[in-house]
Amino acid sequence: EIVLTQSPDFQSVTPKEKVTITCRASQNIDINLHWYQQKPNQSPKLLIKSISQSNSGVPSRFSGSGSGTYFTLTINNLETEDAATYYCHQSQSLPLTFGGGTKVEIK
Amino acid sequence: EVQLVESGGGLVQPGRSLRLSCSASGFTFGDYIVSWFRQAPGQGLEWVGFIRGKAYSGGTTEYAASVQGRFTISRDDSDSTAYLRMNSLKTEDTAVYYCAKPPYGNYWYFDSWGQGTLVTVSS
Repeated sequence: EIVLTQSPDFQSVTPKEKVTITCRASQNIDINLHWYQQKPNQSPKLLIKSISQSNSGVPSRFSGSGSGTYFTLTINNLETEDAATYYCHQSQSLPLTFGGGTKVEIK
Repeated sequence: EVQLVESGGGLVQPGRSLRLSCSASGFTFGDYIVSWFRQAPGQGLEWVGFIRGKAYSGGTTEYAASVQGRFTISRDDSDSTAYLRMNSLKTEDTAVYYCAKPPYGNYWYFDSWGQGTLVTVSS
């Protein structure tokens, strides 16, 4: 099983700040790393697919990067509506797995 | 517009069974994987399993180890509905259960999710 380790678990930031969330995989997952946003009492929403491709309708302040086993999600110019928990997800092999999540709070 | 709607959740005693449904619309249902995920209260996302489209992959299924042998995923393409049959339920199966579909038929990441249905396993 591929284990995804996210950090930090929690981040409290002010609007307009930059947020960086990291996701480390226990083995090489090629381009099969994706990011989701989940707001309270909502279902997950796909933000970034295949490391760096923004899903349709996702604001340009969200971006992804990385390769191999180390990946990052960056939120530039944070807005209050970005308060959510963010998960990385690998589709390299079964079982499909997720990182533990990073909760972003707006100060 | 793609829509996925889960139903069938509720309170069930340990050891009993429950069947969830995922009703889909807005896409050619039979061409797509349908996957189930769950999220225990206050916890992260966990993959439960998926069923492939019958046209391309024979409708085969895959499961997480935690549910293998207890849960069964099936589909009725004529009704655009997928099912999650859960047997021998345990308290640790308590979660919101989501169904989801990928952007392309056999991909393993998911761009459309239902709203979820809560399953509570308790005596």
